[in-house]
Parts: sequence; structure tokens; C-alpha cells
Amino acid sequence: KAGVTQTPRYLIKTRGQQVTLSCSPISGHRSVSWYQQTPGQGLQFLFEYFSETQRNKGNFPGRFSGRQFSNSRSEMNVSTLELGDSALYLCASSLTPGSSGNTIYFGEGSWLTVV
Amino acid sequence: GESVGLHLPTLSVQEGDNSIINCAYSNSASDYFIWYKQESGKGPQFIIDIRSNMDKRQGQRVTVLLNKTVKHLSLQIAATQPGDSAVYFCAENIQGNNDMRFGAGTRLTVKP
Repeated sequence: KAGVTQTPRYLIKTRGQQVTLSCSPISGHRSVSWYQQTPGQGLQFLFEYFSETQRNKGNFPGRFSGRQFSNSRSEMNVSTLELGDSALYLCASSLTPGSSGNTIYFGEGSWLTVV
Repeated sequence: GESVGLHLPTLSVQEGDNSIINCAYSNSASDYFIWYKQESGKGPQFIIDIRSNMDKRQGQRVTVLLNKTVKHLSLQIAATQPGDSAVYFCAENIQGNNDMRFGAGTRLTVKP
């Protein structure tokens, strides 16, 4: 079956603009989480959604937001883009939230460059 | 704050040798640990996981060891191959949420 699918794969935006990234989880997976990856900060947790509700949120400003739809697909939005938002944004899905054998799978990511 | 870290940022091994990648964690509440492999331009790929009620788990050519006493995690790769060249991340997780904390990563280079 298909893995976690993220679109777009690459995009370039200008400072001050906003961006929306999309994630389709593995079929049957209902939990979706988002991570930001940069060379300086590594992989950092953004937020997690389950049943269209945000369950957990990382330490990011309010410019970063997300949502989940009834079909478990998720989007994240970054408003008023800053140069420091340039990063690889990764989406991960799992059957349900949490661990205990609930393997979390990542997509290939969306490369965002802010100029 | 509590975090997951890696002892070695880079590791270079000869093809066919065994590789050991280490990771230290400090959150005693973490009860689930995962190793991911990330190749250039790709997302992290799940390798193996272990729960805190275990101290060893084996997969295909990989073994994860967990020492809760010293809060140490290691990934052993047997007969390392060029295709194993990648950055390896350990991650810790607390049961009940998907808020994984990742280490900085170790770059493994396999020399032919």
C-alpha cells in the first residue's frame, strides 16, 4: 500500500507570504504528526492530529498551524514566512496516537525555501 | 531540558564490518525508542524499535540494545553495506503521544 504522501515536494516562497503543505497518511492511519527538520535544530515536533483534533503541540509560534480532515488527510500552514522557516517539513502517520508497537512512518517531506 | 543526544556525530566503517551507533537519553519517563535511517533527500525510514520493558531486540542485520540504568541506546548493524550509508537518528517517545524527541543524528559512511 502507498506510504505517507506529501505535496508539494519542493517550493520557494517569499518572506511575508504564507504556505500550505499537504499530507495524506497511509491508508487506515488516523494519526498524523508534523515535524520540521533543519541543519541547525534537527528534527523538531510541530503538532499531532487525531480524529480532526490537535492532541499535542510543539514549541513553535502561532504562525504555524494545522488541521486534519475527516479522511485523516492533514494540512499545515505557515503564515508570514520568515527566512528561518526554510526547512524540510515532514509528515508522519500511525494507526492511532502513541507508541506501544504503533509504528510511526514518515513521508518524504516538503522542502520549503523562503527567500 | 531533557533531550536525546548522540555520542558520535560521524562514523566511518569498512564494508562488511559491524557498526555501532550510540544514543543517550535523559527523560526517564520515555518508554518507547525508535531508530530511523535517513538517506539524502528522503524522509526518515523506520528501522527498529524497542519498548522500555525490553533490553534487546533484533531485526534483519540490526539489533537495538537498551540500557535503562545508564539511559543508553545503541543500534548495531551487522555486515555493514554501502547501502547503509545514511544519517541515523534515535528517537524517544512517551506512550500515549506522537511527540517524539530526536537526537542530532549520526552520519554513517561505509567505505568499499
